[in-house]
Amino acid sequence: DAKTTQPPSMDCAEGRAANLPCNHSTISGNEYVYWYRQIHSQGPQYIIHGLKNNETNEMASLIITEDRKSSTLILPHATLRDTAVYYCIVRVKAAGNKLTFGGGTRVLVKP
Amino acid sequence: EPEVTQTPSHQVTQMGQEVILRCVPISNHLYFYWYRQILGQKVEFLVSFYNNEISEKSEIFDDQFSVERPDGSNFTLKIRSTKLEDSAMYFCASGAGTNEKLFFGSGTQLSVL
Repeated sequence: DAKTTQPPSMDCAEGRAANLPCNHSTISGNEYVYWYRQIHSQGPQYIIHGLKNNETNEMASLIITEDRKSSTLILPHATLRDTAVYYCIVRVKAAGNKLTFGGGTRVLVKP
Repeated sequence: EPEVTQTPSHQVTQMGQEVILRCVPISNHLYFYWYRQILGQKVEFLVSFYNNEISEKSEIFDDQFSVERPDGSNFTLKIRSTKLEDSAMYFCASGAGTNEKLFFGSGTQLSVL
């Protein structure tokens, strides 16, 4: 699976949009970009995923560059409960394939 | 939303003892996984399971570890002879298909004394 690079930490203000970058310059054509988050010591929680088109759901938006070498997760109105470690993962499209977690970005939402 | 359920939430054991961690995946899912997270470290893949056999396992998943789906609903991780370094949070996950999202349980905190 392709590796990803994320900043180790970032702060954002409550109520503002949080933009979390991820580089995946070695991504291959059959790899999807997934975002998960882990609040404190809870189990990782799925946020969103995409292949090449931008995606939006009730939690977030995912913007993937045209060359697919990077992406940005957008939390439109960050709340204190969004404080978590956010993981950008690229994953091969194959049966039973695992997720491989890196260090992620520790996001602190401040009042 | 359906949930992956793990029991117990906390398990304390003596070094050398056997432990079984239990998981109930989401009912229509076909792919099952165990991960672990040592305090302050990354979430690490242990094993994936499909069609009643191991699909993939990591270097961590040595002969001391085994998995089983004994009755079509539970998915268990057994550690035969626990070591101090097995102390970690263990997460079970399940997925419906090839590239579907994985759902994680809330974890079992294993402490080996």
